[in-house]
Amino acid sequence: DAGVIQSPRHEVTEMGQEVTLRCKPISGHNSLFWYRQTMMRGLELLIYFNNNVPIDDSGMPEDRFSAKMPNASFSTLKIQPSEPRDSAVYFCASSFTGAVYGYTFGSGTRLTVV
Amino acid sequence: AQKVTQAQTEISVVEKEDVTLDCVYETRDTTYYLFWYKQPPSGELVFLIRRNSFDEQNEISGRYSWNFQKSTSSFNFTITASQVVDSAVYFCALSEASGGGADGLTFGKGTHLIIQP
Repeated sequence: DAGVIQSPRHEVTEMGQEVTLRCKPISGHNSLFWYRQTMMRGLELLIYFNNNVPIDDSGMPEDRFSAKMPNASFSTLKIQPSEPRDSAVYFCASSFTGAVYGYTFGSGTRLTVV
Repeated sequence: AQKVTQAQTEISVVEKEDVTLDCVYETRDTTYYLFWYKQPPSGELVFLIRRNSFDEQNEISGRYSWNFQKSTSSFNFTITASQVVDSAVYFCALSEASGGGADGLTFGKGTHLIIQP
């Protein structure tokens, strides 16, 4: 089991550019979560999917953020246009039926917007 | 809405001391799950434990132990005979399960634990 795979590990981009973060969940897991970690706000849930369907995106900060899950093995988080305040570590996590069996986190993507 | 409070922002102890990290939670659900995660300097989130709201038994795993008390809405974590490798940020988290168990985690702000040699 390769775990939750996120790419890239690090991303540096200029303000105004589009950024796409990628996540491959653990095979067989039916829930996928995107979190953001900053010093000021800690770990925040941005959006989560059950069976590839977005369930709750109330944590998405603004319209510049969008997430998709076209199939059970892939999800993207896109920021367009990016701003310096989007600089953070973005974690993807997957689970089988959520809390009952726990959550496995990827290694995170450290995004720096300059 | 659910909430997790870790009042200790940073704790520093000398190696071999015992240390307790506090966690207090708020939820309206009767069914929920509590977690502890460790985030070492390398940045990944490492799962430590999961407890459901119906199981108040304390748990011990090696030098780690957890005290779950529903009466005080607390889920405290104790490290016995701390070691330098225990230095990390520790997060307490809550997941409500009344919606079928597929909700995400609400994290506390974390406690930065420093173990000095």
